[in-house]
Amino acid sequence: DTAVSQTPKYLVTQMGNDKSIKCEQNLGHDTMYWYKQDSKKFLKIMFSYNNKELIINETVPNRFSPKSPDKAHLNLHINSLELGDSAVYFCASSPLGTGSNYGYTFGSGTRLTVV
Amino acid sequence: DQQVKQNSPSLSVQEGRISILNCDYTNSMFDYFLWYKKYPAEGPTFLISISSIKDKNEDGRFTVFLNKSAKHLSLHIVPSQPGDSAVYFCAASDNQGGKLIFGQGTELSVKP
Repeated sequence: DTAVSQTPKYLVTQMGNDKSIKCEQNLGHDTMYWYKQDSKKFLKIMFSYNNKELIINETVPNRFSPKSPDKAHLNLHINSLELGDSAVYFCASSPLGTGSNYGYTFGSGTRLTVV
Repeated sequence: DQQVKQNSPSLSVQEGRISILNCDYTNSMFDYFLWYKKYPAEGPTFLISISSIKDKNEDGRFTVFLNKSAKHLSLHIVPSQPGDSAVYFCAASDNQGGKLIFGQGTELSVKP
């Protein structure tokens, strides 16, 4: 039973397209995140949702729009894809109020390639 | 401005010996520090953590040391095993909505 699952695992698309990445967690966690791992390998937070409410929105272009229909799902929609959006995107979840010593549970990532 | 840094992109160690992975941070407000392990094509998995009120935490073969005055932490793996070969990420929490800030990772290779 996968705790945090992302789909698709690989995504190759052309510049200018719109695409979505889906994430679901079955851990009963209240908080979900999107992280981006760029070519320099840093994992950088993009968004955080707590019980469907946006609580962290880092400096991310407006082309990226997260959507949380319920606390078990956090999807990421990207409009007008650019070459620089190519990266691995990780979804994660954590219990409410942590991110402290409990850490996150990550999905296996979605490798997005924009050509 | 990268607040968490792992300056060694890679480390190679012989099986049975000690692996020491290092991490430096700049923000004195960080209150928890974590290590994650990542295999290829998988997400990072939580390994061990330490609170800023402690200077050492041990879990089996893994020990994390925190030196607050130097803003430095390290992960020791003793003895190292080939299955430990992975990328290790250091992360820190500033307790602002649970946000974790990650370093860029160190790739550990444990040779038989």
